[in-house]
Amino acid sequence: SQKIEQNSEALNIQEGKTATLTCNYTNYSPAYLQWYRQDPGRGPVFLLLIRENEKEKRKERLKVTFDTTLKQSLFHITASQPADSATYLCALQDTGRRALTFGSGTRLQVQP
Amino acid sequence: GAGVSQSPRYKVAKRGQDVALRCDPISGHVSLFWYQQALGQGPEFLTYFQNEAQLDKSGLPSDRFFAERPEGSVSTLKIQRTQQEDSAVYLCASSSGQASYEQYFGPGTRLTVT
Repeated sequence: SQKIEQNSEALNIQEGKTATLTCNYTNYSPAYLQWYRQDPGRGPVFLLLIRENEKEKRKERLKVTFDTTLKQSLFHITASQPADSATYLCALQDTGRRALTFGSGTRLQVQP
Repeated sequence: GAGVSQSPRYKVAKRGQDVALRCDPISGHVSLFWYQQALGQGPEFLTYFQNEAQLDKSGLPSDRFFAERPEGSVSTLKIQRTQQEDSAVYLCASSSGQASYEQYFGPGTRLTVT
């Protein structure tokens, strides 16, 4: 069956360090992979989208990699700040289908 | 408004009651999605509209769940004869449906069935 795995344990890092979050998937061939941020009591907020034929995407302090051979995406936040503390969700999207399939998310806590 | 809005923000229903949840998407967005999010989990897809057409309802868990978007703008998700397992946050998202695939989410409606 299709499965998307994100580290369920919270990630605690010191301010200024780089946070790296992992998204692994099985039995899936996504055309697009997206990362969202979700704060408590709020809806997810779109951060980055990467296509299956792209290896890496950057936006300001954010970087996403997509390895379709390993079936893995890595999400990096450089120079992390306490304001980056949130749950980060990865979401996969099939070709020709608009629905997103989400992982369960990883909570990031950046300590000042 | 600037973003997706949902109402009510909180809803408590007794088991067996019917509920209706409303979503106002971003103006001009042709695509609209409903997701269900259980505590500690990621959102799970329920259904998708393109304008007024419901193109994908594969995620609706039972025939007690019904969604509509009659004029291609506002959408309503209706749950009949609510059960305790329906307790969750119901998220609505919209997308411009053109070349972009990112979805813009509302704040959600937290449904508690007692």
